[in-house]
Amino acid sequence: SAVISQKPSRDICQRGTSLTIQCQVDSQVTMMFWYRQQPGQSLTLIATANQGSEATYESGFVIDKFPISRPNLTFSTLTVSNMSPEDSSIYLCSVAWGGSNQPQHFGDGTRLSIL
Amino acid sequence: QKEVEQNSGPLSVPEGAIASLNCTYSDRGSQSFFWYRQYSGKSPELIMFIYSNGDKEDGRFTAQLNKASQYVSLLIRDSQPSDSATYLCAVLTSNNDMRFGAGTRLTVKP
Repeated sequence: SAVISQKPSRDICQRGTSLTIQCQVDSQVTMMFWYRQQPGQSLTLIATANQGSEATYESGFVIDKFPISRPNLTFSTLTVSNMSPEDSSIYLCSVAWGGSNQPQHFGDGTRLSIL
Repeated sequence: QKEVEQNSGPLSVPEGAIASLNCTYSDRGSQSFFWYRQYSGKSPELIMFIYSNGDKEDGRFTAQLNKASQYVSLLIRDSQPSDSATYLCAVLTSNNDMRFGAGTRLTVKP
């Protein structure tokens, strides 16, 4: 099975700073997604990372706060900008091969704490 | 009404028993359904997916789908302590959006 690598695995950041999270897959994938999972909660989709074009954001998430890049079929980044304590969460990258109805597979996640 | 609903649990079963996890969804046009297992501090891991009405079996796991009742379930036979985790139901809606339930925490007692 494919390897989905996320970096960093965890970080502690200061309020007002930004952090970029990387997601690397060892094979080309059709779909890449970014989720947030707050403590004790389920997963909330932030956006779909589209290769070569702007990401598609879910309601409540905006590009200025969560800029996303996807320069190719194996790599994507999510930036959490101007962080506040409310951004403390686990951020997860997921990928799918084939169409959007195919199962998604998750990276190990990035545990982010904002002081 | 939440798009995907699950009992939060905890659901406790003895080792060797059948664990039954349930999920209902609101979008009648949903076509794809997934079950993930998430251990504490880990990311979700795909267990099963099902697209058609009826049962789908994979080892000790059986997914059951009833689109008329908008209901999907996961049965775990011969439950083991290592099955103790949170189980997430995910539904691909008619808008091609993946929606996750809040998860059911399962504890299998030796």
